[in-house]
Parts: sequence; C-alpha cells; structure tokens
Amino acid sequence: DTAVSQTPKYLVTQMGNDKSIKCEQNLGHDTMYWYKQDSKKFLKIMFSYNNKELIINETVPNRFSPKSPDKAHLNLHINSLELGDSAVYFCASTKGELAGAPDTQYFGPGTRLTVL
Amino acid sequence: AQSVTQPDIHITVSEGASLELRCNYSYGATPYLFWYVQSPGQGLQLLLKYFSGDTLVQGIKGFEAEFKRSQSSFNLRKPSVHWSDAAEYFCAVAGFQKLVFGTGTRLLVSP
Repeated sequence: DTAVSQTPKYLVTQMGNDKSIKCEQNLGHDTMYWYKQDSKKFLKIMFSYNNKELIINETVPNRFSPKSPDKAHLNLHINSLELGDSAVYFCASTKGELAGAPDTQYFGPGTRLTVL
Repeated sequence: AQSVTQPDIHITVSEGASLELRCNYSYGATPYLFWYVQSPGQGLQLLLKYFSGDTLVQGIKGFEAEFKRSQSSFNLRKPSVHWSDAAEYFCAVAGFQKLVFGTGTRLLVSP
C-alpha cells in the first residue's frame, strides 16, 4: 500500500497553462504539506494544511493555490505556469500535532513538472 | 530562524569504506533533527531522527548519526558503504510544523 501518493508523476506543459497535482495519504494523518525541489535539489516548504486548514504559506506566489477537500487529500493548482515553476513537487504528511514534538514526515514520490 | 548546513555538495566513497556526512544546524531551542535519503527519481525516505535522549541514533540500512550539541552537529555515519547507498542525503531540522532542509550531499560509491 502506498502511504503518500501523487499524480501525475511527470507533467510537461506550456507556459501560461493551468495545471493541478493531486496528493493523497492513507495514513490517517492530520497534516499535509507541499514542498518544491529545484534543479539544485534544494527542498523548500510551500504550504501546510492541518485538518483542511491552511497553517503555513511560505510566501508562495498566489498563482499557486492548494486545496484540501478532506484531510486525506491536498491538491496543488498552479495558474499561468512560468518557466521558473519547473521543479519536482513533493507532497508529505504527518500526524501533525500542533504542539509538542514534531512527528516524522512521510513523503510522496514527487511530481516532476516541466514548463516549456 | 532555523537553518541547516551540509558543507559537502558531493562525496565519493569506495564500496566497503566508511562514510561520514556532515550536518550543522542553527536552532535556538532543543532541535529535532532528521536524515532523509533520496534515491534517483524517488521520494524521500527517513533514515533516522533525533528528538531527545541518547545522542547516538540508529537508523535503517545500517546508518547512525550522532547529535553533538556543543558543535551544533548531527553527522551521519555508516561503517561500510554499499553501492546501493549512492543517493542524495538530506539533513533537516524541524521548525513549527515544517522541516527546514539542508542543500543535500550527493554520495557517489566507487567500485
């Protein structure tokens, strides 16, 4: 069973298009994340949601809009794609206690987005 | 703000030799530290984590890491590297509800 899954695995699109990446976790976790990994492999958090509520928004352009229909899903919609959006996007989840020691984050396999 | 430094961009080790990957962190309170491994084209897999207690932490695949508060370090070690260990290794420190990652160290294993 895949704990954290993402679709699609690869996404190639033209500049200016709108695209979505989906993420689902079957771990019963409360908190989900989106991370961006650039061409130099640097990983940076974009968003986190806890029980469908936005917790963290790390100054990401508003062309990026996360949506959490339920606590098992966190989708990422990107409008007006730009060349600089090309990256690997990772979804992750954790039990997500808002207080206390942080828990282990479990990562999905990533979605490689290429904007032409 | 939390930060993590991995000073080595890449390291080459002969198969069977020992390995140490360096990680230094900056955090005002007790740090929660992690090492993740990313194989080519794959997601991140947790190797080990330190929250408190024994400063020598054992992980999967024969890896261990030692937390040294005085040096603000959390170096990853393995006594004998296998070719399958070739991957990108990330050290991370936990902030409020997020992980802050280092820039990664690429491990190359030579025959």
